Amino acid sequence: SQKIEQNSEALNIQEGKTATLTCNYTNYSPAYLQWYRQDPGRGPVFLLLIRENEKEKRKERLKVTFDTTLKQSLFHITASQPADSATYLCALEGSNDYKLSFGAGTTVTVRA
Amino acid sequence: EAGVVQSPRYKIIEKKQPVAFWCNPISGHNTLYWYRQNLGQGPELLIRYENEEAVDDSQLPKDRFSAERLKGVDSTLKIQPAELGDSAVYLCASQGGSTGGEATNEKLFFGSGTQLSVL
Repeated sequence: SQKIEQNSEALNIQEGKTATLTCNYTNYSPAYLQWYRQDPGRGPVFLLLIRENEKEKRKERLKVTFDTTLKQSLFHITASQPADSATYLCALEGSNDYKLSFGAGTTVTVRA
Repeated sequence: EAGVVQSPRYKIIEKKQPVAFWCNPISGHNTLYWYRQNLGQGPELLIRYENEEAVDDSQLPKDRFSAERLKGVDSTLKIQPAELGDSAVYLCASQGGSTGGEATNEKLFFGSGTQLSVL
């Protein structure tokens, strides 16, 4: 069966450090992978999309890598700030359907 | 630009009662999704619409759940009768348009959701 797995434990880091989140998937052949941010009581907000033929993408302090051989994406928040505290979700759409499926998310807390 | 609007924000009902959720997507977005999110989990797709057509409802529990998207704009999701296990956040999302920028056709815009508690 298809699975999307993210770091099961919450991540607590010191302000200024880099947070690294993992998204592993099985039985998908994704055309692309997306990352979303979700704050308590709010819906997810789109952050980045990386396509299957891209290895890395950056947006301000965010960096995403995508390794289709390892079936893994890494999401980095550099120079983290307390405002980065949230749950981060990865999402995949298979290359044969239009269903966007989400991982369970990883909660990040940045300490001042 | 107005975002995806959902109402109500919260709903508390007793089991076996009916409940309905409403969603107004971003203007011009042809694709609309309903997701359910349980505590500590990611959103799970219930149904996807392209305009007024439900193109994927394979994960919608059709014995008690129904949805409609009249005129391809607003959508309503209904549960009748509700069960204790239906307690969750129900999220609506829309996709599409021609705003340009990154991932215009792929990224989803979510509403704030309706938190349902079934007692």
